[in-house]
Amino acid sequence: DTEVTQTPKHLVMGMTNKKSLKCEQHMGHRAMYWYKQKAKKPPELMFVYSYEKLSINESVPSRFSPECPNSSLLNLHLHALQPEDSALYLCASSQDVAGGPREQYFGPGTRLTVT
Amino acid sequence: DQQVKQNSPSLSVQEGRISILNCDYTNSMFDYFLWYKKYPAEGPTFLISISSIKDKNEDGRFTVFLNKSAKHLSLHIVPSQPGDSAVYFCARNQFYFGTGTSLTVIP
Repeated sequence: DTEVTQTPKHLVMGMTNKKSLKCEQHMGHRAMYWYKQKAKKPPELMFVYSYEKLSINESVPSRFSPECPNSSLLNLHLHALQPEDSALYLCASSQDVAGGPREQYFGPGTRLTVT
Repeated sequence: DQQVKQNSPSLSVQEGRISILNCDYTNSMFDYFLWYKKYPAEGPTFLISISSIKDKNEDGRFTVFLNKSAKHLSLHIVPSQPGDSAVYFCARNQFYFGTGTSLTVIP
């Protein structure tokens, strides 16, 4: 099973709402990632978890709060977002963070719209 | 990562011909470059990687060349097929993606 699943596929939320994005993989990967992608732009790294610990935070605003409850699950909690946060949010996993090319397996993304 | 640039936003190639996608970088500190392909409404999928100690890596129709002195790498697809039509990203050290090139292979 080389699949990374993300739920929901689409999410519309108001600026005062609290919502969560979910990501799951069952490949035994120990690294998981959140990316943000705006239209016609490349994926932009937000967070990296390695062995369930946050190892990289790319200066992401605190209205985005990641959580890794176990090695298979990754959540992104959203609160008080702005309309400019509307984007495709991609989750990915890889075997590890270092020690090789460590290709990532991506989920299909959650299309987020903030109204 | 603004240090990874793909200067051609789009490329059109006839089926059966060679597609060459280019990537330039400024930061010489890397272990690997990776190439990903992305179809609309899907996440990127990994294609091929190259280590900083190599200058070429080949996998079937895909070959990546690395020129460290020019800080340039390229992905060659031979022969190109209509199913190759997608956006291609190079990524430095797996995290930092280039700006992408949209490839269209014309049947």
